[in-house]
Amino acid sequence: QVQLQESGPGLVKPSQTLSLTCTVSSDSFSSGSYYWSWIRQHPGKGLEWIGYIYYSGSTYYNPSLKSRVTISVDTSKNQFSLKLSSVTAADTAVYYCARQYKYYFDYWGQGTLVTVSS
Amino acid sequence: QSALTQPASVSGSPGQSITISCTGTNSDVGGYNYVSWYQQHPGKAPKLMIYDVINRPSGVSNRFSGSKSGNTASLTISGLQAEDEADYHCSSYTSSSTLVFGTGTKVTVL
Repeated sequence: QVQLQESGPGLVKPSQTLSLTCTVSSDSFSSGSYYWSWIRQHPGKGLEWIGYIYYSGSTYYNPSLKSRVTISVDTSKNQFSLKLSSVTAADTAVYYCARQYKYYFDYWGQGTLVTVSS
Repeated sequence: QSALTQPASVSGSPGQSITISCTGTNSDVGGYNYVSWYQQHPGKAPKLMIYDVINRPSGVSNRFSGSKSGNTASLTISGLQAEDEADYHCSSYTSSSTLVFGTGTKVTVL
Protein backbone atom coordinates (compact mmCIF):
# COMPACT_ATOMS: atom_id res chain seq x y z
CA GLN A 1 0.00 0.00 0.00
CA VAL A 2 1.35 3.41 -0.97
CA GLN A 3 1.13 6.14 1.64
CA LEU A 4 2.17 9.76 1.40
CA GLN A 5 2.40 12.17 4.32
CA GLU A 6 3.00 15.92 4.16
CA SER A 7 4.83 17.69 6.96
CA GLY A 8 5.94 21.24 7.67
CA PRO A 9 4.90 24.49 9.33
CA GLY A 10 1.24 25.40 9.24
CA LEU A 11 1.95 29.11 9.52
CA VAL A 12 4.38 31.12 7.41
CA LYS A 13 5.00 34.87 7.51
CA PRO A 14 4.58 36.98 4.38
CA SER A 15 7.73 37.29 2.22
CA GLN A 16 9.23 34.16 3.79
CA THR A 17 9.72 30.73 2.22
CA LEU A 18 7.15 27.96 2.61
CA SER A 19 8.81 24.57 3.06
CA LEU A 20 7.02 21.22 3.03
CA THR A 21 8.21 17.62 2.89
CA CYS A 22 6.38 14.56 1.66
CA THR A 23 7.41 11.17 3.04
CA VAL A 24 6.50 8.22 0.86
CA SER A 25 5.94 4.74 2.21
CA SER A 26 6.47 2.71 -0.91
CA ASP A 27 9.13 0.59 -2.54
CA SER A 28 8.25 2.33 -5.79
CA PHE A 29 9.81 5.67 -4.87
CA SER A 30 13.03 5.14 -6.80
CA SER A 31 11.70 2.64 -9.31
CA GLY A 32 11.64 5.14 -12.12
CA SER A 33 8.02 4.42 -12.91
CA TYR A 34 6.55 7.43 -11.17
CA TYR A 35 6.77 11.16 -10.80
CA TRP A 36 6.16 12.89 -7.47
CA SER A 37 3.95 15.96 -7.42
CA TRP A 38 2.80 18.90 -5.36
CA ILE A 39 -0.74 20.24 -5.76
CA ARG A 40 -2.53 22.92 -3.78
CA GLN A 41 -6.10 23.97 -3.18
CA HIS A 42 -7.06 27.46 -2.10
CA PRO A 43 -9.94 27.56 0.42
CA GLY A 44 -13.18 26.72 -1.35
CA LYS A 45 -11.48 26.59 -4.76
CA GLY A 46 -10.29 24.09 -7.33
CA LEU A 47 -6.98 22.26 -7.47
CA GLU A 48 -3.80 23.87 -8.77
CA TRP A 49 -0.86 21.80 -10.01
CA ILE A 50 2.43 23.17 -8.66
CA GLY A 51 4.99 20.83 -10.19
CA TYR A 52 6.56 17.39 -10.21
CA ILE A 53 9.91 15.74 -9.85
CA TYR A 54 11.35 12.50 -11.14
CA TYR A 55 13.55 10.39 -8.87
CA SER A 56 16.55 11.47 -10.95
CA GLY A 57 15.86 15.09 -10.04
CA SER A 58 14.37 16.42 -13.26
CA THR A 59 11.49 18.81 -12.62
CA TYR A 60 8.55 20.50 -14.30
CA TYR A 61 6.77 23.48 -12.76
CA ASN A 62 3.54 25.40 -13.26
CA PRO A 63 4.61 28.43 -15.36
CA SER A 64 2.67 30.77 -13.08
CA LEU A 65 4.70 29.68 -10.04
CA LYS A 66 7.97 28.69 -11.68
CA SER A 67 9.96 31.72 -10.52
CA ARG A 68 9.21 30.95 -6.85
CA VAL A 69 9.09 27.13 -6.73
CA THR A 70 11.76 24.53 -6.09
CA ILE A 71 11.00 20.82 -5.76
CA SER A 72 13.75 18.50 -4.65
CA VAL A 73 14.09 14.80 -3.88
CA ASP A 74 15.97 12.74 -1.30
CA THR A 75 15.83 9.13 -2.43
CA SER A 76 17.73 7.92 0.65
CA LYS A 77 14.81 9.03 2.82
CA ASN A 78 11.97 8.37 0.35
CA GLN A 79 11.12 12.06 0.55
CA PHE A 80 10.52 14.95 -1.79
CA SER A 81 10.17 18.57 -0.81
CA LEU A 82 8.56 21.83 -1.87
CA LYS A 83 9.92 25.30 -1.36
CA LEU A 84 7.84 28.33 -2.33
CA SER A 85 9.55 31.67 -1.85
CA SER A 86 8.24 35.19 -1.25
CA VAL A 87 4.85 33.97 -0.07
CA THR A 88 1.80 36.20 0.28
CA ALA A 89 -1.70 35.64 1.61
CA ALA A 90 -2.59 34.32 -1.85
CA ASP A 91 -0.44 31.27 -1.11
CA THR A 92 -2.67 30.23 1.78
CA ALA A 93 -3.96 26.81 0.75
CA VAL A 94 -4.11 23.13 1.50
CA TYR A 95 -1.00 21.57 0.01
CA TYR A 96 -1.10 17.96 -1.20
CA CYS A 97 1.67 15.67 -2.31
CA ALA A 98 0.77 12.93 -4.75
CA ARG A 99 2.22 10.07 -6.73
CA GLN A 100 1.93 10.65 -10.45
CA TYR A 101 1.89 7.79 -12.92
CA LYS A 102 2.28 9.09 -16.46
CA TYR A 103 -0.25 11.95 -16.45
CA TYR A 104 -2.55 11.20 -13.53
CA PHE A 105 -2.35 11.14 -9.74
CA ASP A 106 -3.15 7.75 -8.24
CA TYR A 107 -2.17 8.24 -4.60
CA TRP A 108 -2.49 11.39 -2.52
CA GLY A 109 -1.40 12.56 0.90
CA GLN A 110 -4.05 13.79 3.30
CA GLY A 111 -3.09 17.42 2.71
CA THR A 112 -1.75 20.08 5.03
CA LEU A 113 -3.11 23.60 5.49
CA VAL A 114 -0.53 26.34 5.23
CA THR A 115 -1.60 29.82 6.27
CA VAL A 116 0.41 32.88 5.31
CA SER A 117 -0.03 35.55 7.95
CA SER A 118 2.04 37.81 10.14
CA GLN B 1 -1.69 28.21 -18.27
CA SER B 2 -5.43 28.64 -17.86
CA ALA B 3 -7.57 26.29 -15.81
CA LEU B 4 -9.89 23.98 -17.71
CA THR B 5 -13.52 25.09 -17.61
CA GLN B 6 -16.06 23.06 -15.64
CA PRO B 7 -19.62 23.97 -14.61
CA ALA B 8 -19.72 25.23 -11.04
CA SER B 9 -22.49 22.84 -10.08
CA VAL B 10 -24.51 19.92 -11.41
CA SER B 11 -27.40 18.22 -9.64
CA GLY B 12 -29.58 15.19 -10.11
CA SER B 13 -32.00 12.91 -8.31
CA PRO B 14 -31.05 9.46 -7.07
CA GLY B 15 -30.97 6.96 -9.91
CA GLN B 16 -30.55 9.60 -12.60
CA SER B 17 -27.50 10.16 -14.78
CA ILE B 18 -25.51 13.37 -14.83
CA THR B 19 -22.63 14.56 -17.00
CA ILE B 20 -19.87 16.98 -16.04
CA SER B 21 -17.98 18.74 -18.82
CA CYS B 22 -14.35 19.83 -18.85
CA THR B 23 -13.40 22.20 -21.67
CA GLY B 24 -9.86 23.07 -22.67
CA THR B 25 -7.95 23.75 -25.86
CA ASN B 26 -6.05 21.97 -28.60
CA SER B 27 -2.97 22.30 -26.39
CA ASP B 28 -4.36 20.22 -23.56
CA VAL B 29 -7.67 18.30 -23.59
CA GLY B 30 -7.98 18.25 -27.37
CA GLY B 31 -4.38 17.36 -28.04
CA TYR B 32 -3.91 14.31 -25.84
CA ASN B 33 -5.84 11.38 -24.41
CA TYR B 34 -4.53 12.21 -20.95
CA VAL B 35 -7.58 13.52 -19.13
CA SER B 36 -8.24 12.31 -15.59
CA TRP B 37 -11.07 12.88 -13.13
CA TYR B 38 -11.00 13.11 -9.33
CA GLN B 39 -13.72 12.91 -6.69
CA GLN B 40 -13.27 14.94 -3.52
CA HIS B 41 -15.47 14.75 -0.44
CA PRO B 42 -15.35 17.67 2.04
CA GLY B 43 -12.15 17.73 4.04
CA LYS B 44 -10.71 14.77 2.17
CA ALA B 45 -8.00 14.29 -0.41
CA PRO B 46 -9.05 13.81 -4.04
CA LYS B 47 -9.57 10.26 -5.31
CA LEU B 48 -8.77 9.13 -8.85
CA MET B 49 -11.93 8.05 -10.68
CA ILE B 50 -10.97 8.05 -14.38
CA TYR B 51 -7.60 8.20 -16.16
CA ASP B 52 -6.55 8.49 -19.79
CA VAL B 53 -10.06 9.75 -20.69
CA ILE B 54 -11.93 6.46 -20.36
CA ASN B 55 -10.16 4.12 -17.93
CA ARG B 56 -11.39 3.27 -14.43
CA PRO B 57 -8.94 2.27 -11.70
CA SER B 58 -9.58 -0.96 -9.90
CA GLY B 59 -12.25 -0.50 -7.23
CA VAL B 60 -14.05 2.42 -8.86
CA SER B 61 -17.70 1.75 -9.62
CA ASN B 62 -18.64 1.18 -13.25
CA ARG B 63 -21.31 3.84 -12.75
CA PHE B 64 -18.51 6.30 -13.53
CA SER B 65 -17.47 6.68 -17.16
CA GLY B 66 -15.39 9.11 -19.16
CA SER B 67 -15.36 10.33 -22.74
CA LYS B 68 -13.94 13.08 -24.93
CA SER B 69 -14.98 14.97 -28.02
CA GLY B 70 -12.68 17.61 -29.43
CA ASN B 71 -11.55 19.98 -26.69
CA THR B 72 -14.19 18.81 -24.20
CA ALA B 73 -13.95 15.83 -21.89
CA SER B 74 -16.90 14.52 -19.89
CA LEU B 75 -17.52 12.47 -16.78
CA THR B 76 -20.85 10.68 -16.57
CA ILE B 77 -22.25 9.29 -13.34
CA SER B 78 -25.11 6.88 -13.91
CA GLY B 79 -27.50 5.60 -11.25
CA LEU B 80 -26.70 8.60 -9.07
CA GLN B 81 -26.34 7.76 -5.38
CA ALA B 82 -26.18 9.91 -2.26
CA GLU B 83 -22.51 8.98 -1.78
CA ASP B 84 -21.69 10.54 -5.16
CA GLU B 85 -22.32 14.01 -3.72
CA ALA B 86 -18.88 15.59 -3.82
CA ASP B 87 -16.65 17.93 -5.80
CA TYR B 88 -15.24 16.64 -9.08
CA HIS B 89 -12.08 17.89 -10.75
CA CYS B 90 -10.70 17.15 -14.21
CA SER B 91 -7.05 17.35 -15.19
CA SER B 92 -5.16 17.23 -18.46
CA TYR B 93 -1.60 16.96 -19.72
CA THR B 94 -0.52 19.98 -21.77
CA SER B 95 1.76 20.67 -24.72
CA SER B 96 4.20 22.36 -22.30
CA SER B 97 4.76 19.04 -20.49
CA THR B 98 2.79 20.40 -17.55
CA LEU B 99 -0.55 19.47 -16.02
CA VAL B 100 -3.61 21.65 -15.56
CA PHE B 101 -6.74 21.14 -13.47
CA GLY B 102 -10.29 22.22 -14.09
CA THR B 103 -12.21 24.78 -12.08
CA GLY B 104 -14.11 22.05 -10.21
CA THR B 105 -17.77 21.02 -10.13
CA LYS B 106 -19.97 20.49 -7.08
CA VAL B 107 -22.36 17.58 -7.57
CA THR B 108 -25.53 17.67 -5.50
CA VAL B 109 -27.86 14.70 -5.12
CA LEU B 110 -31.36 16.07 -4.70
